[in-house]
Amino acid sequence: DTEVTQTPKHLVMGMTNKKSLKCEQHMGHRAMYWYKQKAKKPPELMFVYSYEKLSINESVPSRFSPECPNSSLLNLHLHALQPEDSALYLCASSQVGGLHTQYFGPGTRLTVL
Amino acid sequence: EDQVTQSPEALRLQEGESSSLNCSYTVSGLRGLFWYRQDPGKGPEFLFTLYSAGEEKEKERLKATLTKKESFLHITAPKPEDSATYLCAARSNDYKLSFGAGTTVTVRA
Repeated sequence: DTEVTQTPKHLVMGMTNKKSLKCEQHMGHRAMYWYKQKAKKPPELMFVYSYEKLSINESVPSRFSPECPNSSLLNLHLHALQPEDSALYLCASSQVGGLHTQYFGPGTRLTVL
Repeated sequence: EDQVTQSPEALRLQEGESSSLNCSYTVSGLRGLFWYRQDPGKGPEFLFTLYSAGEEKEKERLKATLTKKESFLHITAPKPEDSATYLCAARSNDYKLSFGAGTTVTVRA
């Protein structure tokens, strides 16, 4: 089973709202990732967690706040977003280490009004 | 800085018309070359990982090959359901994938 699940599938929020995206995997992977993908562009890495600790933050604005409560769950907390933050947000997971494949979830389509 | 370039940007094929997609990369210390398929509005679906020059992998109508500078994804006798964007990505460290811009393939019946 190589399934990564994400909820919700779609999210519409105002610029003053606070919302969260959720990601779950049960493959025993200890690395989890958040990507942002704009239309007709490749995914861009935002954050990496390794063994539940934040390993990489690709200079993402503080209005995006990641959290890894345990080895299976990854959250992305959203606050005071801008319309340009509208995108497909993808979660991925993998075994730790450079030889391992990242498996992606279906994504959350976020629209900021 | 790692760079991955895919060509062509778009490819329109008749059903049964075989073709190849190119992915050229400049990566110091390649740890893996990955191919993904992505349908509109969905997450990338893993297809292949290639680790060393000369390696080949096949799955149904798709075959991926790797040289020291580029990778090819060959589509043999494509069907309309093979229509998608195909993404190539290279990795030179533990975590970060460098993606190409993708090739959008449209197969007409």
